[in-house]
Amino acid sequence: GAVVSQHPSWVICKSGTSVKIECRSLDFQATTMFWYRQFPKQSLMLMATSNEGSKATYEQGVEKDKFLINHASLTLSTLTVTSAHPEDSSFYICSARDRTIFYEQYFGPGTRLTVT
Amino acid sequence: SQQGEEDPQALSIQEGENATMNCSYKTSINNLQWYRQNSGRGLVHLILIRSNEREKHSGRLRVTLDTSKKSSSLLITASRAADTASYFCATSSNNNDMRFGAGTRLTVKP
Repeated sequence: GAVVSQHPSWVICKSGTSVKIECRSLDFQATTMFWYRQFPKQSLMLMATSNEGSKATYEQGVEKDKFLINHASLTLSTLTVTSAHPEDSSFYICSARDRTIFYEQYFGPGTRLTVT
Repeated sequence: SQQGEEDPQALSIQEGENATMNCSYKTSINNLQWYRQNSGRGLVHLILIRSNEREKHSGRLRVTLDTSKKSSSLLITASRAADTASYFCATSSNNNDMRFGAGTRLTVKP
């Protein structure tokens, strides 16, 4: 089956630093990847949609300069949280859509970010 | 933004009982999916139902979809303690991004 990996699975960083999270589709090509954020005991909120080779589309209320998304290849998208603050602490989940099966979306295992 | 609401927000039942969770959404959809998430873990895909389908079964799971009411339900029969988790519905529309409901936290007591 289709597998999506995320790295790292958890990260602790100091306030003011930047953190990069990678999302990879391991056995399929993904023209579109999605980034979600989940706060404790809440649902997943879509942050942005990234298409390979083009700029990401951000949801309303998500700061594009703070959450930098790069989708440089058909198997890799990165989310960089810049100048992280404690309120950015959350569970970040990516998903990838198989270019050959339009409606199938596969989720990564998530990355837990803690900003101290 | 989220697509819709789920109810109940929390549900506590005894092992062996059935659990029913409901999901409502706001816009037209292509399909609706249900996911399970154990605390602090990733999502596990349970079932997908397309907009032209009304009911689907998978093992102990039964999903219904009523597009006229913009709602879906997930029934877990003969629940087990291992079913304890949060359950989310997620809808896909024409732009094909996936929007999640608020989720139901299910606790199955042994």
